[in-house]
Amino acid sequence: NAGVTQTPKFQVLKTGQSMTLQCAQDMNHEYMSWYRQDPGMGLRLIHYSVGAGITDQGEVPNGYNVSRSTTEDFPLRLLSAAPSQTSVYFCASQKQGRGEKLFFGSGTQLSVL
Amino acid sequence: GENVEQHPSTLSVQEGDSAVIKCTYSDSASNYFPWYKQELGKGPQLIIDIRSNVGEKKDQRIAVTLNKTAKHFSLHITETQPEDSAVYFCAASIRVSNYQLIWGAGTKLIIKP
Repeated sequence: NAGVTQTPKFQVLKTGQSMTLQCAQDMNHEYMSWYRQDPGMGLRLIHYSVGAGITDQGEVPNGYNVSRSTTEDFPLRLLSAAPSQTSVYFCASQKQGRGEKLFFGSGTQLSVL
Repeated sequence: GENVEQHPSTLSVQEGDSAVIKCTYSDSASNYFPWYKQELGKGPQLIIDIRSNVGEKKDQRIAVTLNKTAKHFSLHITETQPEDSAVYFCAASIRVSNYQLIWGAGTKLIIKP
């Protein structure tokens, strides 16, 4: 089992560029989510999905879009990258949702110049 | 808004000694409190969790205690070993965000040989 797979591991963007961070899980989990991790701030929820076709905003959604067309995939799109989006991004999945173990990917380190 | 405070930000202990990390939360409706361990270059992994109807939970050298009245919970690691060196995050479920998790800022635990 691969678990949660994120690509790419590293990315450098220029201000204004767009890109998609990929996330896939092979555990047939219903819930998937995206977090950003900044020094001294822990993890902050960007967007989450409770199942295919259903997404909702988290704590810091501005500047990001998501879609969930399949159970396995949950890509995160940066529409117009800004230096404030420099961060480490983690995708996670859960079997059913609240109160259950989160399985995290290994992260994407993004730098926006 | 709701928040979770975690202390200390860095903790250095001698190998074999105990380590205690403390978190306080603001939402009185929080009912789920997990602890995650993050090793360098990896995503966080769940090490132990506790629900609001339980005061203490143990798993080998790790224990978590919950005081609902004071709204704080703590992670206790006994007989620390070099492999315990990592960053530890606490989190609490938040009612207003459909019980998604709000995270503490993290504690870097250093085990001195």
